Amino acid sequence: AQSVTQLDSQVPVFEEAPVELRCNYSSSVSVYLFWYVQYPNQGLQLLLKYLSGSTLVKGINGFEAEFNKSQTSFHLRKPSVHISDTAEYFCAVSERYQGGKLIFGQGTELSVKP
Amino acid sequence: NAGVMQNPRHLVRRRGQEARLRCSPMKGHSHVYWYRQLPEEGLKFMVYLQKENIIDESGMPKERFSAEFPKEGPSILRIQQVVRGDSAAYFCASSRQGAQANTGELFFGEGSRLTVL
Repeated sequence: AQSVTQLDSQVPVFEEAPVELRCNYSSSVSVYLFWYVQYPNQGLQLLLKYLSGSTLVKGINGFEAEFNKSQTSFHLRKPSVHISDTAEYFCAVSERYQGGKLIFGQGTELSVKP
Repeated sequence: NAGVMQNPRHLVRRRGQEARLRCSPMKGHSHVYWYRQLPEEGLKFMVYLQKENIIDESGMPKERFSAEFPKEGPSILRIQQVVRGDSAAYFCASSRQGAQANTGELFFGEGSRLTVL
């Protein structure tokens, strides 16, 4: 069975600072990896996904993530955050060919302060 | 194109009542997934449906919960005899492709927030 651990429940950061949200997963089979963002009182929106190929994945809003197979990690990064990036971020995995059945982490609340 | 539409957005029920949550997928999408988000937790998969078929209900509680996606109309998640522990946000997502080919890009609705008094 797969599992996902997001190592930080809350990350406060100042505007224009860099940020890294950490995600580790465990799985005995090949997986797809995702980051979703949830703004207050809204549904989830896909930020980026890793399926195969290059381990550095670029997503929307200037975010990127790097797949590290040896460390089973998929950390999300942004070099300079904006106030509008304040939201909850979820890391998720799915087995290959089970794309709609996602296993989510507990979420990381990113709070960007002026 | 309208996105995934869920209603009601907020629902309050007393213990023992029934809750019905509706989800209309995006246009052209025939695969629907329901997820539950308990307070302070991530989303948990409940059920995956195609039109008139339940494909995977491994995340559904064994009692009181049921889901359907009829040939016509929205998908419905039904919770009978609600208890306080059912209070949560219920999210519906849809996709164009089936799970086997789907690379995991789900389109989520804004959720239905159930409060059980």
